[in-house]
Amino acid sequence: AQSVTQLGSHVSVSEGALVLLRCNYSSSVPPYLFWYVQYPNQGLQLLLKYTTGATLVKGINGFEAEFKKSETSFHLTKPSAHMSDAAEYFCAVTAPNYGGSQGNLIFGKGTKLSVKP
Amino acid sequence: SQTIHQWPATLVQPVGSPLSLECTVEGTSNPNLYWYRQAAGRGLQLLFYSVGIGQISSEVPQNLSASRPQDRQFILSSKKLLLSDSGFYLCAWSVGTLKGQPQHFGDGTRLSIL
Repeated sequence: AQSVTQLGSHVSVSEGALVLLRCNYSSSVPPYLFWYVQYPNQGLQLLLKYTTGATLVKGINGFEAEFKKSETSFHLTKPSAHMSDAAEYFCAVTAPNYGGSQGNLIFGKGTKLSVKP
Repeated sequence: SQTIHQWPATLVQPVGSPLSLECTVEGTSNPNLYWYRQAAGRGLQLLFYSVGIGQISSEVPQNLSASRPQDRQFILSSKKLLLSDSGFYLCAWSVGTLKGQPQHFGDGTRLSIL
């Protein structure tokens, strides 16, 4: 079975500072990994995904994430935070070859990012 | 391109009243469909998913039910709402034929039970 742990339910950074949101996963098979962003009272929007191939994945809004199998991590980063990045971020994992619940994602509990001016 | 629509955006209902939330997807065929509930501080809880018309899988026992009367229509219902049914309900879809695909979310329905 798969699971996702997001370290830190709240992260606060200053505008222009590095953003680092942590995600560790557990999976018995090679995982597919995703990051989503949710703005208040909206649905989740896909930021980026890792399936196979290059382990450094670039997404929208200047975010990127690196899949590190040895560390079972998929941390999300952005070099310079902008006020508009304030939102909640969710990491998710799925196992594409796992039988049963086809394509179901397992979500972390989310990290709320605050950006100070 | 594919789009997903959820309505209503907000809903206030009394305890014991019925519920019907609707979700439709456009621009794709035979999608996998999902209903989630998001309660404050509790992350996303998968309620139901469907891989085809009339095929519903329930993830947690609860006061709610789901139906898929058409390929791209997913309905969340309740006969009698409880206070604990309050929350933010999200519908999502993914490509049905491929495993491990990302899910794409609607804008959600904020349900308040009085």
